[in-house]
Formats: sequence, C-alpha cells, structure tokens
Amino acid sequence: NAGVTQTPKFQVLKTGQSMTLQCAQDMNHNSMYWYRQDPGMGLRLIYYSASEGTTDKGEVPNGYNVSRLNKREFSLRLESAAPSQTSVYFCASTGGDHNSPLHFGNGTRLTVT
Amino acid sequence: GNSVTQMEGPVTLSEEAFLTINCTYTATGYPSLFWYVQYPGEGLQLLLKATKADDKGSNKGFEATYRKETTSFHLEKGSVQVSDSAVYFCALRGTGGFKTIFGAGTRLFVKA
Repeated sequence: NAGVTQTPKFQVLKTGQSMTLQCAQDMNHNSMYWYRQDPGMGLRLIYYSASEGTTDKGEVPNGYNVSRLNKREFSLRLESAAPSQTSVYFCASTGGDHNSPLHFGNGTRLTVT
Repeated sequence: GNSVTQMEGPVTLSEEAFLTINCTYTATGYPSLFWYVQYPGEGLQLLLKATKADDKGSNKGFEATYRKETTSFHLEKGSVQVSDSAVYFCALRGTGGFKTIFGAGTRLFVKA
C-alpha cells in the first residue's frame, strides 16, 4: 500500500521558472492538502481540497495554484518561482470526519536560486 | 481562530530520561488533538490522537491526555531512547472543519 506519493523528491529552479508538484493517494480519501515546511514555522497550509471538484486557499496561497485532477490526484503549481518559495512541500490526505488524522507524503525539497 | 502553541526546542535528553513536550491550544467547540512525529528526511506520521475531553492517546510508550479545562495536550514518555530523536508536532482539527493547524514543532535529541 503506497499511501501518499509525491514527485519529484528534489528540485532546483531559477527565479521565474515554473513547475508542478505532483501528489497521488490510494486510500480513497476525500480531502487533500498542500503544506510548506520552513525552519521554526511548523507547517503552513497553502491550499486544500475538501472533496473532488473543490479547492480552497489556506494560510499562504500567494504564488501558487492547485488542481484536483480526480479523487486520487492533487497538484501544486508554481507559475513564476521566487527565492521565498524555497521550502519543503508536503502533500497530505485524510478521510471524512474531524477525528481522522492526516497521511503525509515524503515531501519535495525545492530550492529557488 | 484556532491555534496551537508548543514548547520551543531543541530538547536534549539522555537515554532513559523522562520526556515532556508541552502543547496548548485555542479553539472553539471540541477539536480533535494529534501528535505527529517527523524523522529525518521523511514526512510526518501520526503518533497518537485524542478526540474528546479526558481521552488519553498512547502509542510506542508515548502518552498525551486531552485536558479541556487547561486547553492542553502535553506529550510524555517515561524512558526515551536514541531512536526517539525526531521532531514532534502538536496539531488540532476543529469540529466540522477541513483544516489541521500545527504547532511550530519541537526537535528532540536523545544521547546514548
């Protein structure tokens, strides 16, 4: 059982380049999330998708877009990367009720130069 | 809005020492509370959870009790091992909400 799979694991971009981070889950979860992790700041929510066909902004959405392609897949796009977007990005998913924990992928380490 | 505050690290302990990592929260209603652990190079994974007042979550020797009167969910372990070295995150998910809010994380180092 793969759980939550993220690709790529590492990426280096130049300022202004674009890229898409991919995420897929095989647990039939309704809700999916993108977080970024920066030293001393915990995890901050970028965007989430409560169910297939819906997306909503989190705490730090500026500079990002998302697509919930189907129930399994939720991608994060950086249209014009900036050094401030250097971070580790985590995708997560969860089942329906508020007792359900998040299941995380192993992260994408992104460096923007 | 909802928030989580946990003690700053790093915390450095010797093997077999007692561990407490403090966590307090602000939330309306009755949120679910979680502790997650992150080992180097990996994503977060659930360590334990509690879903109502006075519940005790436990796993791998770790425990935390949901205290509504003090809005706390402190993580404890009686005897830590080197393999417990990791970053620990306290988190909450509100009733009817889709978002999980995290504390800043506490890094634990355990020396042999």
